[in-house]
Amino acid sequence: AQSVAQPEDQVNVAEGNPLTVKCTYSVSGNPYLFWYVQYPNRGLQFLLKYITGDNLVKGSYGFEAEFNKSQTSFHLKKPSALVSDSALYFCAVRDRDTGRRALTFGSGTRLQVQP
Amino acid sequence: EAGVAQSPRYKIIEKRQSVAFWCNPISGHATLYWYQQILGQGPKLLIQFQNNGVVDDSQLPKDRFSAERLKGVDSTLKIQPAKLEDSAVYLCASSSTGTGAGGNQPQHFGDGTRLSIL
Repeated sequence: AQSVAQPEDQVNVAEGNPLTVKCTYSVSGNPYLFWYVQYPNRGLQFLLKYITGDNLVKGSYGFEAEFNKSQTSFHLKKPSALVSDSALYFCAVRDRDTGRRALTFGSGTRLQVQP
Repeated sequence: EAGVAQSPRYKIIEKRQSVAFWCNPISGHATLYWYQQILGQGPKLLIQFQNNGVVDDSQLPKDRFSAERLKGVDSTLKIQPAKLEDSAVYLCASSSTGTGAGGNQPQHFGDGTRLSIL
């Protein structure tokens, strides 16, 4: 079975400060990992993914994420937060060594960036 | 490129009624997904199509939900009869078929249909 945990329902950060949104995962094999962002009344937008190789992945809008296999984590980071980054963020995982292709999403973390 | 199109955006029905949602994926995307997103939760996969064949429908409540993807392009999701717990946003997504098992391609989501059951 595959699962994702996002331990924080909400993260608050001041504009200009660095932000981190946490994600841990569980798969029986090796993971494909994704981050998506959701704005109110919209669908999910793809930010970045980890497939293999470099543990630091860079994505859209200045976001990056670090894959840590020993800690089974894939935290989302940004060096300097913007008010416009305020949204709902979802981490997702798929076990690439099984036949099942579906993504499993976490419950989401609401990011609030204060001006 | 045009994104994933869904309609309607909002639907209000009474319990025990039926409802249908429509999805048009990004042109050329072979894989199409239907998700249910209940308020405060992440999306949960209902069904996945590869072209017009079903890949995964293990979490689809088949006694009331059905889906089809005729001709491997558009798809419809139907609920009949609806229950109160079906109140949710129904998201459609599509992805291209990548290398290997194709599971590393990002999914592109539509804006969803918000279903309210009275």
